[in-house]
Amino acid sequence: AQSVTQLGSHVSVSEGALVLLRCNYSSSVPPYLFWYVQYPNQGLQLLLKYTTGATLVKGINGFEAEFKKSETSFHLTKPSAHMSDAAEYFCAVTPYSSASKIIFGSGTRLSIRP
Amino acid sequence: ETGVTQSPTHLIKTRGQQVTLRCSSQSGHNTVSWYQQALGQGPQFIFQYYREEENGRGNFPPRFSGLQFPNYSSELNVNALELDDSALYLCASSLVGDGENIQYFGAGTRLSVL
Repeated sequence: AQSVTQLGSHVSVSEGALVLLRCNYSSSVPPYLFWYVQYPNQGLQLLLKYTTGATLVKGINGFEAEFKKSETSFHLTKPSAHMSDAAEYFCAVTPYSSASKIIFGSGTRLSIRP
Repeated sequence: ETGVTQSPTHLIKTRGQQVTLRCSSQSGHNTVSWYQQALGQGPQFIFQYYREEENGRGNFPPRFSGLQFPNYSSELNVNALELDDSALYLCASSLVGDGENIQYFGAGTRLSVL
């Protein structure tokens, strides 16, 4: 069985500050890991993905995440927050090489202070 | 833009009614998945269709049913609507066999059950 835990339902940072959104996963098979972003009244947009290979993955809008198998973590970071980053962020996991359901975390709402 | 389109955008129904939601997959994709996102929560997997057959189902009752058509468009049908069915319904398309298992989401249909 797979599961995702996002630590912190709400994170607030100042514009220009580091963004760190935490995600831990549980999976009995090698996972594929994703971060999705959801802006108000919109669907989900893929930010970045880890499938195989390099454990540090870069995504859109300056975000990146590092897959740490030993810590079962896939934290999302951005060096400098921008006002436009305010949104809901979802970490997700799916079984390796299986076109299967995606298990989502409960989400973290990111607010940016001017 | 993911190329996945959903209709209608918003829908209001009363308890006990039936509803049909529609999804047009991204060109070239052969798999469609449906998710329910209740307010303040992450999306929950309803079911997935591959080549017109159900290919996995989440913990949803049989009154949630679906169809996938030869052109890979899809419908989600919900019978005997309940108040708790009020949610954002997301459709996602993907290509089985591309090795990456990435699902691309539409903007969703917001269903309100009164």
